[in-house]
Amino acid sequence: DTGVSQNPRHKITKRGQNVTFRCDPISEHNRLYWYRQTLGQGPEFLTYFQNEAQLEKSRLLSDRFSAERPKGSFSTLEIQRTEQGDSAMYLCASSLGAVTSYGYTFGSGTRLTVV
Amino acid sequence: DQQVKQNSPSLSVQEGRISILNCDYTNSMFDYFLWYKKYPAEGPTFLISISSIKDKNEDGRFTVFLNKSAKHLSLHIVPSQPGDSAVYFCAASARSGNNDMRFGAGTRLTVKP
Repeated sequence: DTGVSQNPRHKITKRGQNVTFRCDPISEHNRLYWYRQTLGQGPEFLTYFQNEAQLEKSRLLSDRFSAERPKGSFSTLEIQRTEQGDSAMYLCASSLGAVTSYGYTFGSGTRLTVV
Repeated sequence: DQQVKQNSPSLSVQEGRISILNCDYTNSMFDYFLWYKKYPAEGPTFLISISSIKDKNEDGRFTVFLNKSAKHLSLHIVPSQPGDSAVYFCAASARSGNNDMRFGAGTRLTVKP
């Protein structure tokens, strides 16, 4: 297991198109998180799953955003009708249980550019 | 609402000197604090953490200090090395809540040879 994997690394899309990102967490981790990071800001929490259940969603997660984690394994984040304001780095992280002394393990992110 | 604040967007220090990065928080429910380091085009990587029951945690060149009464923590790097140049994020979590971490905006550290 090489850590948290995110695909694609980069995505350029036209405004109004739908995009989907994938995250493969560390296999034994039961929690999976999605964060968004814009230039000059820290990661902002979007949502998290414990196994297949989506337990919390930030108000940043508008109705154009949907996340799934079927079977409690990989997760997908879909953005419908993309807007230029959606341009950001989308980070996925995983953990075994709640925050521990080692925090979360992050993937390298998917950079989305909406033109 | 920004519950974790890093008020210095950048810091430059000379190699071999001490780097001190600061972080303030507003939520008194936070009971776990972490520092992450981020290089360009990579995700944040965990550096060091501290529980609210402690006021200091040390790991090699890195020491985190927590002042709960002031809701302030700091990361000390001694001695600083050029490879330490990166963006450092402070993060906090409330284990009594949903445990998701809240991040500060980051401080870009540049260590000059």
